[in-house]
Amino acid sequence: ETGVTQSPTHLIKTRGQQVTLRCSSQSGHNTVSWYQQALGQGPQFIFQYYREEENGRGNFPPRFSGLQFPNYSSELNVNALELDDSALYLCASSSPRGANEKLFFGSGTQLSVL
Amino acid sequence: DAKTTQPPSMDCAEGRAANLPCNHSTISGNEYVYWYRQIHSQGPQYIIHGLKNNETNEMASLIITEDRKSSTLILPHATLRDTAVYYCIVRVGGRYGGSQGNLIFGKGTKLSVKP
Repeated sequence: ETGVTQSPTHLIKTRGQQVTLRCSSQSGHNTVSWYQQALGQGPQFIFQYYREEENGRGNFPPRFSGLQFPNYSSELNVNALELDDSALYLCASSSPRGANEKLFFGSGTQLSVL
Repeated sequence: DAKTTQPPSMDCAEGRAANLPCNHSTISGNEYVYWYRQIHSQGPQYIIHGLKNNETNEMASLIITEDRKSSTLILPHATLRDTAVYYCIVRVGGRYGGSQGNLIFGKGTKLSVKP
C-alpha cells in the first residue's frame, strides 16, 4: 500500500472522446508523474508535475495534458482518444527531499478505447 | 530507449535465492541503478537502488560490479508472492532539479517462483 490512489480503476471510452483520470499523491509528496503502460510493455513516462507546473515531458502529443492542484493531487486529460491510447495509466508520487527520491505508484486506471 | 538489458524471463524454486542480472554497460558516473518490480495488476514497487557499493534492505540485495557495467538483484528466499516483472533502471541521482520522475523502463524480467 503506497498511499497513492487513482480513479477510476477501469474506464471504457470510444474513439474521439475525451477522458480525465485522477490521482491523489501520498501525504507529503509534492511531485506527481504519469505513465502509460501498454500490454506487455514497461511503463512509458508521459509527464511530471511539481508545485502545479509541468516539469518534464516524455514523447507524447499535446492532446495529453495534465494539472496539479494546490493539495498536490493531479489529473491526466487525454483529448481525441485513439485506439492506441488503450493502456494502463499509472500515477506516481515522490518527494524531492534529499537525493534519489523513489517513486510510489498507484495501481493505475485501465483505459479501453473502442 | 532503456539503457539496460535484462533476460526476458527466469524461473526460481520457492525458498531458493533468485538472482536477477542486469547489464548497463553505458552507465555514466552520476547514474544510479534502481530496481522496481510489478506484480500483476498493480503499479511498480520500489525495491532498492545503489551507486557503486553493494546495498541490502529488507527486501533484497543489490550487487554492482566494480566497473559498474552490470548488477544483480538478489531475493534471498523467494516466495510465490515474489512472482512479478522486475525492472532494472539507471538514472541520474541527486536533488530535484530536473525530471526526477522520469524513469525509463525496459521490458524487464518476468520472474516465476514455482513451488
